[in-house]
Amino acid sequence: DAKTTQPPSMDCAEGRAANLPCNHSTISGNEYVYWYRQIHSQGPQYIIHGLKNNETNEMASLIITEDRKSSTLILPHATLRDTAVYYCIVRVLGGSNYKLTFGKGTLLTVNP
Amino acid sequence: DTGVSQNPRHKITKRGQNVTFRCDPISEHNRLYWYRQTLGQGPEFLTYFQNEAQLEKSRLLSDRFSAERPKGSFSTLEIQRTEQGDSAMYLCASSLAQGTARNTIYFGEGSWLTVV
Repeated sequence: DAKTTQPPSMDCAEGRAANLPCNHSTISGNEYVYWYRQIHSQGPQYIIHGLKNNETNEMASLIITEDRKSSTLILPHATLRDTAVYYCIVRVLGGSNYKLTFGKGTLLTVNP
Repeated sequence: DTGVSQNPRHKITKRGQNVTFRCDPISEHNRLYWYRQTLGQGPEFLTYFQNEAQLEKSRLLSDRFSAERPKGSFSTLEIQRTEQGDSAMYLCASSLAQGTARNTIYFGEGSWLTVV
């Protein structure tokens, strides 16, 4: 699986949009971009994933650049409960696509 | 969908004792994964099952660790002769094996182990 690069930490004001970047410059054509988050002392929570089109669900939006070398997770109206470590992971399609490889992620702190 | 369930949530044990964690995956999920997470690090893959078959074990899984999934439903992770370095959160996850990356992996809340 390709590696990802994320900033170690970010701050965001409550009610504002949180934009979390991720670089995955060596991503292959059959690799999806997944985002998970982990609130303190809890298991990772799935947020969203995409291949090349932008995706949106009830939690967040995922914007993937046209060359697929980077992506941005957007939390449109961050709340204090969104304070967590956010992990960007690329995962191969097909074959032995059985696991996720986590990095250190980005600690997002939402401030009142 | 009741989610992935793990028990116990917390365990404190003395060095040298054996401990066992149980994981109940989301029903109908035929893939089950174990991860370990230490403070300040992301989760690290330990092993995974497809149905009852254990298909991969990480080098992190020493001989003192054993995982089973009899009948392809729940799974247990046993650590024998625990050491202080085994203190960590042990995460279980499950997914469908659909052959595509749409088989999203869902995690449980984890089991914290403290070895004293």
